[in-house]
Amino acid sequence: DQQVKQNSPSLSVQEGRISILNCDYTNSMFDYFLWYKKYPAEGPTFLISISSIKDKNEDGRFTVFLNKSAKHLSLHIVPSQPGDSAVYFCAARDDKIIFGKGTRLHILP
Amino acid sequence: KAGVTQTPRYLIKTRGQQVTLSCSPISGHRSVSWYQQTPGQGLQFLFEYFSETQRNKGNFPGRFSGRQFSNSRSEMNVSTLELGDSALYLCASSSRTDNYGYTFGSGTRLTVV
Repeated sequence: DQQVKQNSPSLSVQEGRISILNCDYTNSMFDYFLWYKKYPAEGPTFLISISSIKDKNEDGRFTVFLNKSAKHLSLHIVPSQPGDSAVYFCAARDDKIIFGKGTRLHILP
Repeated sequence: KAGVTQTPRYLIKTRGQQVTLSCSPISGHRSVSWYQQTPGQGLQFLFEYFSETQRNKGNFPGRFSGRQFSNSRSEMNVSTLELGDSALYLCASSSRTDNYGYTFGSGTRLTVV
């Protein structure tokens, strides 16, 4: 039973354009949502988060949008840079943090 | 400040053996969580410890166990290893006051042959 779903295993975006990574969840009890970024041979690093009482949180080039009625959140990266190429994990918290399977983002030159 | 330290970084074991992995959290962090990462499965939650007590456990068989010491260092043990246990095992620590942001270690890559 997958409570956090990232339906796109990979995404390719031109450098300078907007990258949009999507995530769906099933558990309405989640009170906090997070995005992590992972490079090969390293642990995931925290990127940005959003409380369930908000619908948007922005940090520099990264913005997370939350649509509670649709149980959907998205991460927008603009403009996309080569160093953004990585695997991005969506995560959600009730009494523990549950991760999606990840989306591999490729930024094309 | 020092990050989350996991040892060893790489490990090769034979089926049927047992293995112990270690995690030292960030100083002052009392919560340690363990995850298993395999290709196509993302990060799957194993267990979380807080102040030496297991607070949560994921859907893994009893061969997977853990503990936390008074200095917050944690170990996880896998007994009777199977080929499917080959994975990257990640440890994350949290102060539980930092908006639930976990800090992950670099992981231990376990290969079972």
